[in-house]
Amino acid sequence: QVQLVESGGGVVQPGRSLRLSCAASGFTFSSYGMHWVRQAPGKGLEWVAFIRYDGTNKYYADSVKGRFTISRDNSKNTLYLQMSSLRAEDTAVYYCAKDFSGGSWLDYWGQGTLVTVSP
Amino acid sequence: DIQMTQSPSTLSASVGDRVTITCRASQSISSWLAWYQQKPGKAPNLLIHKASGLESGVPSRFSGSGSGTEFTLTISSLQPDDFATYYCQQYNSYPYTFGQGTKLEIK
Repeated sequence: QVQLVESGGGVVQPGRSLRLSCAASGFTFSSYGMHWVRQAPGKGLEWVAFIRYDGTNKYYADSVKGRFTISRDNSKNTLYLQMSSLRAEDTAVYYCAKDFSGGSWLDYWGQGTLVTVSP
Repeated sequence: DIQMTQSPSTLSASVGDRVTITCRASQSISSWLAWYQQKPGKAPNLLIHKASGLESGVPSRFSGSGSGTEFTLTISSLQPDDFATYYCQQYNSYPYTFGQGTKLEIK
């Protein structure tokens, strides 16, 4: 069965960096696009970024463009989100999610990892 | 960017009721719309894809319809497990966007 397990969250000071990881299993990771979605405390879902199955195309929300970088290592079945210049408004639970194909709906989600940006 | 607007934001209903949630897109997205259910402290769960396609394992009381800019999610007979927050999401173009959510509460 598909499993997505995020890690790397924690408390970080504004302006600092953090890297999230998402370990995938139960499907052929190298064949599917992957997303990051976040949810601030008590708020709705916000799509963050997408990467194609082979890493050749990446897309970002305007709110993170230039600060966050999505990447993947298909040899390790792992998705990453490198976050830099973090702000208080980046505080959220970050979910990784599998794309059904190459830019469609999100059919499987991880349990999320909490990032708190605070002095 | 495409804006997604859900209504209502909160919906109070009883077990057995038929309920409908509406999602409107700021421009046409054809049928490139998904619906998700989220319970407190849990990840979202896919219900509907391509506006009306029922995801495998999702009860048949859930249905979706619409195309272009107006979409609906209908639950034909509410069950206790259905009280949750529901989100629509467009995947017509990047950046993907979600509606603000509809919280379905027990009346």
